[in-house]
Amino acid sequence: GAVVSQHPSWVICKSGTSVKIECRSLDFQATTMFWYRQFPKQSLMLMATSNEGSKATYEQGVEKDKFLINHASLTLSTLTVTSAHPEDSSFYICSARGRAGYQETQYFGPGTRLLVL
Amino acid sequence: AQSVTQPDIHITVSEGASLELRCNYSYGATPYLFWYVQSPGQGLQLLLKYFSGDTLVQGIKGFEAEFKRSQSSFNLRKPSVHWSDAAEYFCAVGAGYSSASKIIFGSGTRLSIRP
Repeated sequence: GAVVSQHPSWVICKSGTSVKIECRSLDFQATTMFWYRQFPKQSLMLMATSNEGSKATYEQGVEKDKFLINHASLTLSTLTVTSAHPEDSSFYICSARGRAGYQETQYFGPGTRLLVL
Repeated sequence: AQSVTQPDIHITVSEGASLELRCNYSYGATPYLFWYVQSPGQGLQLLLKYFSGDTLVQGIKGFEAEFKRSQSSFNLRKPSVHWSDAAEYFCAVGAGYSSASKIIFGSGTRLSIRP
């Protein structure tokens, strides 16, 4: 079946540095990618939606200059956390939507755990 | 805007007992409804989804859910739980798979299994 991968699966960085997380749809073309953030013992909160070749649409309260999203191709979206701070430590999950076979479908990636020291 | 409410934060059931996890949604049109399961430190796994048609939906791992429009509910059920079912369960609502629609998650219900 269709699969979505994320890289890296976990990352530790120093405060003030930038971190890039990749999300790939492995065997289907993702016309739309979603990025979610999940704090410990909480639900997934949608951060932004991006369509291939377009600027991302951010949810209210999400800083677009801090969380840069690029969806340059139909199989790859990246989330860059710029000037990361400890409060950005979280579990980041992407989701890819597109056509797999004859059906529109949506799959979630395995997540990336970010720890900012 | 759509929203999802999972009124139970934590539920404990005995192994072999039946299970029902509650989910209520708010959406102006016919919703697309989902149940996902997340084991600790892991990503999401889709258990089942409802788009249209038969209101009783069968999913993986012996789970089923029933869409009740009159009650705006989509409760998840399993007749006999196994210790491996212990996890976090999320109900979610979307507007379909058009590019503009989003999937919004409930706050989750943590399921513990009593031996």
